Amino acid sequence: KAGVTQTPRYLIKTRGQQVTLSCSPISGHRSVSWYQQTPGQGLQFLFEYFSETQRNKGNFPGRFSGRQFSNSRSEMNVSTLELGDSALYLCASSSQGTAYGYTFGSGTRLTVV
Amino acid sequence: AQTVTQSQPEMSVQEAETVTLSCTYDTSESDYYLFWYKQPPSRQMILVIRQEAYKQQNATENRFSVNFQKAAKSFSLKISDSQLGDAAMYFCAYSKRSGGGADGLTFGKGTHLIIQP
Repeated sequence: KAGVTQTPRYLIKTRGQQVTLSCSPISGHRSVSWYQQTPGQGLQFLFEYFSETQRNKGNFPGRFSGRQFSNSRSEMNVSTLELGDSALYLCASSSQGTAYGYTFGSGTRLTVV
Repeated sequence: AQTVTQSQPEMSVQEAETVTLSCTYDTSESDYYLFWYKQPPSRQMILVIRQEAYKQQNATENRFSVNFQKAAKSFSLKISDSQLGDAAMYFCAYSKRSGGGADGLTFGKGTHLIIQP
């Protein structure tokens, strides 16, 4: 079956703009999580959605937000982009939450200039 | 807060040899999950192996096995018969157990594994 699909693969934005990233989970998976990966901070948890509800949120400013649709697809939005938001954003889906591990997508590489 | 530490930024091993990657973690929880993920240059994180903290038996997946020492809060990954395709960044990750929910993974900084032909 199809894996986790993230679009776009690459994105270049200007400081101050906003951006929306998309994630389509594996069919049947209801949990979608987002992570930010940077060389300096490593992998950091952003938030997790389950059945359209945000269940948990990492330590990120309010400029980072997300949502999940009824078909489990998820979007992540970053407003007022800063240079430090340049990162690889990874989406992961799971059918049972943490217990069985997550399946990750290939990520969206965001560059803020 | 939970922390995961991988003390080896980079490891190198000859093809067909065995290598062990180290991971320690800190948590006040008694029930949790531990994972090893692999990230090749393609960027996709791939689950290598998982361990449930309440299970004393070490998890094994083909050439990959773990040494889980709960009291020492240690979770090392052993790769036997290393292959060129094993070259990647390896991340150790922790998540506490919660009823049906997901609290996010806490990752270590990663170990870059190089396989020498």
